[in-house]
Amino acid sequence: ETGVTQTPRHLVMGMTNKKSLKCEQHLGHNAMYWYKQSAKKPLELMFVYNFKEQTENNSVPSRFSPECPNSSHLFLHLHTLQPEDSALYLCASSQGQAGSGPNYDEQYFGPGTRLTVT
Amino acid sequence: AQSVTQLDSHVSVSEGTPVLLRCNYSSSYSPSLFWYVQHPNKGLQLLLKYTSAATLVKGINGFEAEFKKSETSFHLTKPSAHMSDAAEYFCVVTDYSGGSNYKLTFGKGTLLTVNP
Repeated sequence: ETGVTQTPRHLVMGMTNKKSLKCEQHLGHNAMYWYKQSAKKPLELMFVYNFKEQTENNSVPSRFSPECPNSSHLFLHLHTLQPEDSALYLCASSQGQAGSGPNYDEQYFGPGTRLTVT
Repeated sequence: AQSVTQLDSHVSVSEGTPVLLRCNYSSSYSPSLFWYVQHPNKGLQLLLKYTSAATLVKGINGFEAEFKKSETSFHLTKPSAHMSDAAEYFCVVTDYSGGSNYKLTFGKGTLLTVNP
């Protein structure tokens, strides 16, 4: 049990649908992250939140919209996705402030949501 | 720019034999380095980390890694592979992005297969 949960675990959606991914961390951490993991590609950092404030957006298309209502919950709202958006979406959290220095705090990952866009 | 290179995309070993997963990095300062493991249909789990303390770092499940600054390497080893070690392994390095900002850069991963 990693202390980070994600729902749903699997999602199939059409290109015109709207859906949301949910992440919850039970570790009392202050920073949360969304990553995209595609086959044969390195893990891609999408968004970083620190104390509920977005601190990084790595040029993610606007069809992905994150929301962080509190330090324990993180959402990724999806709309009008493309087939190339099919991937495993991972949520992570860390104790320390994101980007605070070279001794970067280790991240705790959820199991991911396997997204398929048809 | 800082980067991390995992030299093998796939490593296959027999159960009970040693494991070596290779990682090289480039960094203009003293980096922090991590190894994560990802089992099928699971998230990433931290195996071990180096943050400028002892150069030989011991992790969970019998894994260890040695930081060699002269070789810019952080290879992951285990004396004897177990079937449950079959997974994908990621080497991660801190990446300086300017000012006081650092972020993690992930390697592409090495898939470890353990044969009975």
